[in-house]
Amino acid sequence: GENVEQHPSTLSVQEGDSAVIKCTYSDSASNYFPWYKQELGKGPQLIIDIRSNVGEKKDQRIAVTLNKTAKHFSLHITETQPEDSAVYFCAASPYSSASKIIFGSGTRLSIRP
Amino acid sequence: EAGVTQFPSHSVIEKGQTVTLRCDPISGHDNLYWYRRVMGKEIKFLLHFVKESKQDESGMPNNRFLAERTGGTYSTLKVQPAELEDSGVYFCASSRLAGEANEQFFGPGTRLTVL
Repeated sequence: GENVEQHPSTLSVQEGDSAVIKCTYSDSASNYFPWYKQELGKGPQLIIDIRSNVGEKKDQRIAVTLNKTAKHFSLHITETQPEDSAVYFCAASPYSSASKIIFGSGTRLSIRP
Repeated sequence: EAGVTQFPSHSVIEKGQTVTLRCDPISGHDNLYWYRRVMGKEIKFLLHFVKESKQDESGMPNNRFLAERTGGTYSTLKVQPAELEDSGVYFCASSRLAGEANEQFFGPGTRLTVL
């Protein structure tokens, strides 16, 4: 079945530096790739998503890239701030219609002051 | 607009007991999903409702789990009898549109501990 792998599991960066989280997926039919941020005591919240007809998308300090040939996608956070500390999940959805999301195992990002 | 709500936030039960989790989706959202995260692993899909119908229940682990969404509004997930490996955080999510990939809004989760 569909599998999403995520690395690293933990990441610590100095405030102001960039953070990169990488994911791979197995199902070539996947065409929707959301990224979720989970803060303590809360559920996952969508921060950015990308669809398979786009190679890159940016929203302020956050950018995602997608390489469908290699089945890789990644999240880039620039100028990190303390409030970026959280667990980040990449995910893939194997269908074009509203359906289940396959999550990666999560990355715990810590921003050092 | 109120978000997805879940009740209870925490539940501690003994092995063999029954627990019922509740999810109230965002008003007007036809799609409702259940997921769970066990032992710090990935968040895994359990099932998907479209209104009151089960669209996809391929992630339900076994017949000890029963999900319902009578009337197409709130949903319940019952675990009976609970086993130790059922411990984890159960998330509910909802989305508005059918027929296209779109944002799923997650609730805060119910942390279930089976002793």
